[in-house]
Amino acid sequence: DIQLTQSPTFLSASVGDRVTITCRASQGLSSYLAWYQQKPGKAPKVLIYAASTLQSGVPPRFSGSGSGTEFTLTISSLQPEDFATYYCQQLNSPWTFGQGTKVEIK
Amino acid sequence: QITLKESGPTLVKPTQTLTLTCTFSGFSLSTSGVGVGWIRQPPGKALEWLAVIYWDDDKRYSPSLKSRLTITKDTSKNQVVLTMTNMDSVDTATYYCAHSIRIAVGRHYFDYWGQGTLVTVSS
Repeated sequence: DIQLTQSPTFLSASVGDRVTITCRASQGLSSYLAWYQQKPGKAPKVLIYAASTLQSGVPPRFSGSGSGTEFTLTISSLQPEDFATYYCQQLNSPWTFGQGTKVEIK
Repeated sequence: QITLKESGPTLVKPTQTLTLTCTFSGFSLSTSGVGVGWIRQPPGKALEWLAVIYWDDDKRYSPSLKSRLTITKDTSKNQVVLTMTNMDSVDTATYYCAHSIRIAVGRHYFDYWGQGTLVTVSS
């Protein structure tokens, strides 16, 4: 199975900060990676698919980049509603998720 | 508008079989490129993909759980059923079903999720 490693695991940031989360894959994925946001007690919500394509309805402050084995999710200006846990997922069967990155208020 | 909702027992005993139903609306599981998957999340832990069934009845399972899982669909009822045998306390988790959409051959992501259902395994 392809393993995904996210860094950092925890991130403390302030409103307005630029935030970057990295996802590294144990094998090349081409561009087949998605990013999800999950708030406590809620289902995950897709933000980005195909590494850099913004899901419809997602604010443009979210962006994704990368290919192969290294990917990043960037929030250009952190908003109060962005404090959540973020997961990457590789789209090659069998699908796997990263361990998550919790973004907390500084 | 696509919606999905999980249903099933909230409590199962060790060694029992869990049966979960995902009832959906707003799409057809006969449509090319569409699938429904199951993902679980133990309390405070990460997401784990379990299984997926596609419009053409192709089924895929997590290798580590394949021997315990069965996924089926009833297109006429707009339902997908997941069974997991030999439940153990480590299977305590919130179980989600989700709509998957194809972006390339063999590549899907989950764009709509159910609210999830917490299943506790305890005697």
